[in-house]
Amino acid sequence: AAGVIQSPRHLIKEKRETATLKCYPIPRHDTVYWYQQGPGQDPQFLISFYEKMQSDKGSIPDRFSAQQFSDYHSELNMSSLELGDSALYFCASSFQWAGGRSSSYNEQFFGPGTRLTVL
Amino acid sequence: GENVEQHPSTLSVQEGDSAVIKCTYSDSASNYFPWYKQELGKRPQLIIDIRSNVGEKKDQRIAVTLNKTAKHFSLHITETQPEDSAVYFCAAPPGYSSASKIIFGSGTRLSIRP
Repeated sequence: AAGVIQSPRHLIKEKRETATLKCYPIPRHDTVYWYQQGPGQDPQFLISFYEKMQSDKGSIPDRFSAQQFSDYHSELNMSSLELGDSALYFCASSFQWAGGRSSSYNEQFFGPGTRLTVL
Repeated sequence: GENVEQHPSTLSVQEGDSAVIKCTYSDSASNYFPWYKQELGKRPQLIIDIRSNVGEKKDQRIAVTLNKTAKHFSLHITETQPEDSAVYFCAAPPGYSSASKIIFGSGTRLSIRP
């Protein structure tokens, strides 16, 4: 079965550079979530999109932005990178019922992650 | 705001013994409680979940119990094996949407002693 695809898998950047992470959700999944996991930490929610619209926002720095495109893939853009941005970035996807509401919570499927190292 | 507390942070058990990890949550509207296993550098993997309309769910050596009144839920692993060594996260997505973010507990590093 197809899974969530993330690219690149590894990325090394210098301070103050920019980075773009990409996420391709499972086919027919309409919701994408981004999480950041620092060393020894639990994953922290950054932002999510449903049907190409931002649906929720967490602890995402103003230096970061994200969007979901017409083909449902998503990109996380990170500017003015800092040492503290070094982390694993996970994308997850899920499928919501029509209208984005259902009585049942739907499982989020995680991608393999992108390891970002800022030097 | 929403909060999930998880205990213990580390747990070491003898192979073959049982392991129990406990979590509490704050959002009374939460109705779905997944547990994730994460190996070093890998993605979180869903191992079991429970919805608020049941009190217990079991899948082979893994079971989860839920006490909605007390806002507690627990993971039980029986007959532990070396491959159970990993970090385990409980989670409680807020109940305001079926598409809401996952709020993870702080994680439990489980080590199985041979």
